[in-house]
Amino acid sequence: DTGVSQDPRHKITKRGQNVTFRCDPISEHNRLYWYRQTLGQGPEFLTYFQNEAQLEKSRLLSDRFSAERPKGSFSTLEIQRTEQGDSAMYLCASSRGLEQYFGPGTRLTVT
Amino acid sequence: QKEVEQDPGPLSVPEGAIVSLNCTYSNSAFQYFMWYRQYSRKGPELLMYTYSSGNKEDGRFTAQVDKSSKYISLFIRDSQPSDSATYLCAISPGNEKLTFGTGTRLTIIP
Repeated sequence: DTGVSQDPRHKITKRGQNVTFRCDPISEHNRLYWYRQTLGQGPEFLTYFQNEAQLEKSRLLSDRFSAERPKGSFSTLEIQRTEQGDSAMYLCASSRGLEQYFGPGTRLTVT
Repeated sequence: QKEVEQDPGPLSVPEGAIVSLNCTYSNSAFQYFMWYRQYSRKGPELLMYTYSSGNKEDGRFTAQVDKSSKYISLFIRDSQPSDSATYLCAISPGNEKLTFGTGTRLTIIP
């Protein structure tokens, strides 16, 4: 499978715990994006990378959120001290041009 | 005002009907327009993108953009039960982040 992959697909955690998600983009894509989607809403932009450089962060991305893309390959999104409001689907997308291709998402449930 | 407005539906139509899905946007800086299809609990799948006013056709799907009215549409001809999904419009000023509508949930009734 040469599409965008995300791991884990599902994560249940207790409030206050830290979680980390991984995204592996399509191999020749230099841009990688993170979005968050809640029920009944479209995806909302969180941050994006061009190669290893993080070029933009949304104001939605509080200090508890951090993203990295070491060596411009896979990316990780970490949420510290999770809150119930962090429950959502976290989507990763990659692109080489205008077209962004999404992975299957990681569904986070904070109890 | 949201940057992209999309009627969330739900929309139910009989199999074989023509479906019309629409979005409006507020910022003329947006130049690129995409339509994504999302099945329940899956990631969005890119259907079409366009950057100019007018129509773009791909099989049973036609994307239409009217930049003067800031209005974009997706038409589905000969709709099939497998077309039942949530359809998301997305816009971008260029080679960067997408701004999505809320999505329209579509059901095709056999």
